[in-house]
Amino acid sequence: KAGVTQTPRYLIKTRGQQVTLSCSPISGHRSVSWYQQTPGQGLQFLFEYFSETQRNKGNFPGRFSGRQFSNSRSEMNVSTLELGDSALYLCASSIAGQGGSDTQYFGPGTRLTVL
Amino acid sequence: KQEVTQIPAALSVPEGENLVLNCSFTDSAIYNLQWFRQDPGKGLTSLLLIQSSQREQTSGRLNASLDKSSGRSTLYIAASQPGDSATYLCAVPPSGAGSARQLTFGSGTQLTVLP
Repeated sequence: KAGVTQTPRYLIKTRGQQVTLSCSPISGHRSVSWYQQTPGQGLQFLFEYFSETQRNKGNFPGRFSGRQFSNSRSEMNVSTLELGDSALYLCASSIAGQGGSDTQYFGPGTRLTVL
Repeated sequence: KQEVTQIPAALSVPEGENLVLNCSFTDSAIYNLQWFRQDPGKGLTSLLLIQSSQREQTSGRLNASLDKSSGRSTLYIAASQPGDSATYLCAVPPSGAGSARQLTFGSGTQLTVLP
């Protein structure tokens, strides 16, 4: 079974631009979560999507948004980029079974650099 | 608010040693605890997930234990190898009614196994 895939793997943008990142979960997985990883803050939860609905959102400004499609693929968008948005963005998928006690599988990440 | 701490931040051991990585969390009402490894610049690889009802899980040379009452988990690595060199992270979902997929991560332990 193919793992979680993320595209693109690397991105360079300038301040003020916007960016869209894509995540394809493992086949059969219905939940997709996004995380931001920086050296200073570590791994921080951005949001989770399940059946095309945002179920949870972390403490990030409204410039960060996402969506999920009917095939469970998810996109994350960051508008008006700031230097501090430079990070590794990780996507994770899970089956999302009853009680939510299931393993999350992470993709390789998208490395975003904002100049 | 759940907080996760990992000690030590870095650890260097000679090949063949058995070692223990520590993870502590502030709120013991967790669904599960998950251990991951991350290689430099890469995504996270899930190692073990312990349900709240379990006390330990084993996979090959890895053994993870969970003590909810004391808010602690340990990851035991037997007969360490240079290929085990990576950053090891533990993560827990929020207590209460939050999504089990909204993980709070520790800052990780960077392990170096010397040949």
